[in-house]
Amino acid sequence: ETGVTQTPRHLVMGMTNKKSLKCEQHLGHNAMYWYKQSAKKPLELMFVYSLEERVENNSVPSRFSPECPNSSHLFLHLHTLQPEDSALYLCASSLETDPTPSTDTQYFGPGTRLTVL
Amino acid sequence: ILNVEQSPQSLHVQEGDSTNFTCSFPSSNFYALHWYRWETAKSPEALFVMTLNGDEKKKGRISATLNTKEGYSYLYIKGSQPEDSATYLCAFPSSMDSNYQLIWGAGTKLIIKP
Repeated sequence: ETGVTQTPRHLVMGMTNKKSLKCEQHLGHNAMYWYKQSAKKPLELMFVYSLEERVENNSVPSRFSPECPNSSHLFLHLHTLQPEDSALYLCASSLETDPTPSTDTQYFGPGTRLTVL
Repeated sequence: ILNVEQSPQSLHVQEGDSTNFTCSFPSSNFYALHWYRWETAKSPEALFVMTLNGDEKKKGRISATLNTKEGYSYLYIKGSQPEDSATYLCAFPSSMDSNYQLIWGAGTKLIIKP
């Protein structure tokens, strides 16, 4: 039990659909992350939120829209996706120690396996 | 462009044997190196965060060493067991880009043969 949950675990959607991925952490952490993992490629950071403010946006297409309503919840809204967006989407959280949060351990959820038809 | 390399890409090891694999990273502006273990259908799980040159960390049968001057870390597993089968990832903070970004290796997939 990592304390980070993600729903749904699997999602199949058409290119015209709108769907949302949800992440929840019960660890009292301040930072939350969205990662994408495509087949045989390293984890790619998409977005980072710190205390509900977006602090990283790694040139992600606008068809992916994150939302962080509070420090425990993170959403990824999906709209007009392409088949190449099919991947495993992982959420993570970290305590966020100042001044180098990149040394913090990240705690991951189990991921959402997304298939875009 | 910062890059993290892991080798080998995959590894088959007989149960009971010991093994090791490598993570290579840029040796300049070192902050920390992370090791994670990712079992199939589960969440990636942190093993170690290493920050000091010469550091050695241990967790049960798994240990890791760090050489920041030459830019590599070894992960060792002693007496491999089937439950050690997983993909082992290393990650290196990208201080040039942000305070949050980790550059991840592609992983070493370890398969333990009974």
